Amino acid sequence: GENVEQHPSTLSVQEGDSAVIKCTYSDSASNYFPWYKQELGKGPQLIIDIRSNVGEKKDQRIAVTLNKTAKHFSLHITETQPEDSAVYFCAASSGKETGANNLFFGTGTRLTVIP
Amino acid sequence: DAGVIQSPRHEVTEMGQEVTLRCKPISGHDYLFWYRQTMMRGLELLIYFNNNVPIDDSGMPEDRFSAKMPNASFSTLKIQPSEPRDSAVYFCASTTGGIGSATNEKLFFGSGTQLSVL
Repeated sequence: GENVEQHPSTLSVQEGDSAVIKCTYSDSASNYFPWYKQELGKGPQLIIDIRSNVGEKKDQRIAVTLNKTAKHFSLHITETQPEDSAVYFCAASSGKETGANNLFFGTGTRLTVIP
Repeated sequence: DAGVIQSPRHEVTEMGQEVTLRCKPISGHDYLFWYRQTMMRGLELLIYFNNNVPIDDSGMPEDRFSAKMPNASFSTLKIQPSEPRDSAVYFCASTTGGIGSATNEKLFFGSGTQLSVL
């Protein structure tokens, strides 16, 4: 099955700086890569996703890049704000037919933005 | 929409007791997932349903775990008997369309149930 590794496990940045979280995956058939943000006491919430036919996607201060050859993808947050502090999870899915609808999650990165 | 609703938010029980976790998915969503979150193992998929039918339960750790979805608006995850190692946060999530399909595959998570088995 798929194996997703995520680094770093913790990340502290000064407010206004950028934050980068990296993930690698093992299954070359994976074609969908979402990122989830989990705030304290809440469930994960999708913030951005990317498909294997796209190399980069942006949404305001958040961007995700994908390198299919190297099998890694990254989350970039620019101009970080205290409210960006949370645990971020990457995930990968092969999106195969019935029976394989499954997201494999990374172990999470705890991001702390220092005011 | 109120989102995915889970109950209870917190559950403290003693080893050997039966525990039932409940989930109400978002109306119209035809996929429902149960996840377990621990520090050691992160987010693990336990089981998922499509149109109330269990599709893949290979993530259910033991026979002590069972899940049902009697109708489109309700699902339960039961642990009987519970053990201390079952302590974790259990999340329910729903969506419409298969993960990675051309339709909406965004997972909507509930706020989770924090389970502590003493």
